[in-house]
Amino acid sequence: GQSLEQPSEVTAVEGAIVQINCTYQTSGFYGLSWYQQHDGGAPTFLSYNALDGLEETGRFSSFLSRSDSYGYLLLQELQMKDSASYFCAVKGNQGGKLIFGQGTELSVKP
Amino acid sequence: EPEVTQTPSHQVTQMGQEVILRCVPISNHLYFYWYRQILGQKVEFLVSFYNNEISEKSEIFDDQFSVERPDGSNFTLKIRSTKLEDSAMYFCASSAWQTMEYGYTFGSGTRLTVV
Repeated sequence: GQSLEQPSEVTAVEGAIVQINCTYQTSGFYGLSWYQQHDGGAPTFLSYNALDGLEETGRFSSFLSRSDSYGYLLLQELQMKDSASYFCAVKGNQGGKLIFGQGTELSVKP
Repeated sequence: EPEVTQTPSHQVTQMGQEVILRCVPISNHLYFYWYRQILGQKVEFLVSFYNNEISEKSEIFDDQFSVERPDGSNFTLKIRSTKLEDSAMYFCASSAWQTMEYGYTFGSGTRLTVV
């Protein structure tokens, strides 16, 4: 089966940098994605890594190490609006099913 | 930006009643999904739908659940006889491809409360 581990909560101050880690176990690997969810609303796609290394999209970057079954989401220049839950996700198989981690609640303090 | 639209946003129903949750996926998307999220927990896969049939379903998606694409635009989730433990946020999602690369687009969800 598949399982993902991420910290339940992280706190940081405005303007800082925060890293949210995710370790996964899968029978087959089709990439690691990150989603943001504000206040129980629609999860919103942030990033995707299929190969090792860093992918940068503005203030957000995502990293993958397939040999370590590990990835992280890096948020720079934190803003209050970044307070949300962040989920890592993998595909369950060659089909479209996404398996989500438990989510990390990020609180950004002034 | 195209959106996935879900109705209603909130639904309260009595245990044992049938509910239908509705979704309008993005028009050129081909793959459709239902997920649910019990309060404070992770988002869980229920079912995927492609080419007018279920392509995969989870253990949660038992005989009480069914999905339909009745008219080529709407995508519905029916729960035949609701139980208290069906109380959750239900999200519809759609995607143009089955790859993760471009992400899936989720609707804002229907909060179902079974009393």
